Amino acid sequence: EAGVTQSPTHLIKTRGQQATLRCSPISGHTSVYWYQQALGLGLQFLLWYDEGEERNRGNFPPRFSGRQFPNYSSELNVNALELEDSALYLCASSYGTGNEKLFFGSGTQLSVL
Amino acid sequence: RKEVEQDPGPFNVPEGATVAFNCTYSNSASQSFFWYRQDCRKEPKLLMSVYSSGNEDGRFTAQLNRASQYISLLIRDSKLSDSATYLCAVVTSGTYKYIFGTGTRLKVLA
Repeated sequence: EAGVTQSPTHLIKTRGQQATLRCSPISGHTSVYWYQQALGLGLQFLLWYDEGEERNRGNFPPRFSGRQFPNYSSELNVNALELEDSALYLCASSYGTGNEKLFFGSGTQLSVL
Repeated sequence: RKEVEQDPGPFNVPEGATVAFNCTYSNSASQSFFWYRQDCRKEPKLLMSVYSSGNEDGRFTAQLNRASQYISLLIRDSKLSDSATYLCAVVTSGTYKYIFGTGTRLKVLA
């Protein structure tokens, strides 16, 4: 069974540009979570999508947005990139009941120059 | 106060030692608890869920103390390969937000 897949693995952008990160959940999972992990820091909750809807978001500015498609894959968009957006962006999926384990993809390393 | 707190460590222990980590949470409505392991710059991997009655998986034992609002992870007979950062995750009832601690670094020394 395929795990959570994320693309691209690495992304290099310059300040002010937009970045799009993609995630495909494990088959059967309806929930997708996005986390930001800056170097040396913990996982910061960004967004949660379930059944195509945004269900919750963390303390991030509106320039962090995303969506979930009918096949449950998801996209994270970061507009007007800033240097401090450089981080590992992790996507995780689950069955969406809150009692289920999260399974993570290997992440997208975003570097903003 | 942070929602989920962990001692960052590092915990440096010799091979074969027993080591324990705690993770405290602030929201009494928290409903689900997990331990993850993260190797340097890789994705977190699920180690184990934490149940009210406590649970064991080989050398790893997890406990939940609802009264004091913390979970613990005990590793017996530490191996070099156990060197990693251990993250706790807490899910709050109703929000379904998985909040992670910042992790505890473990180094097992030969």
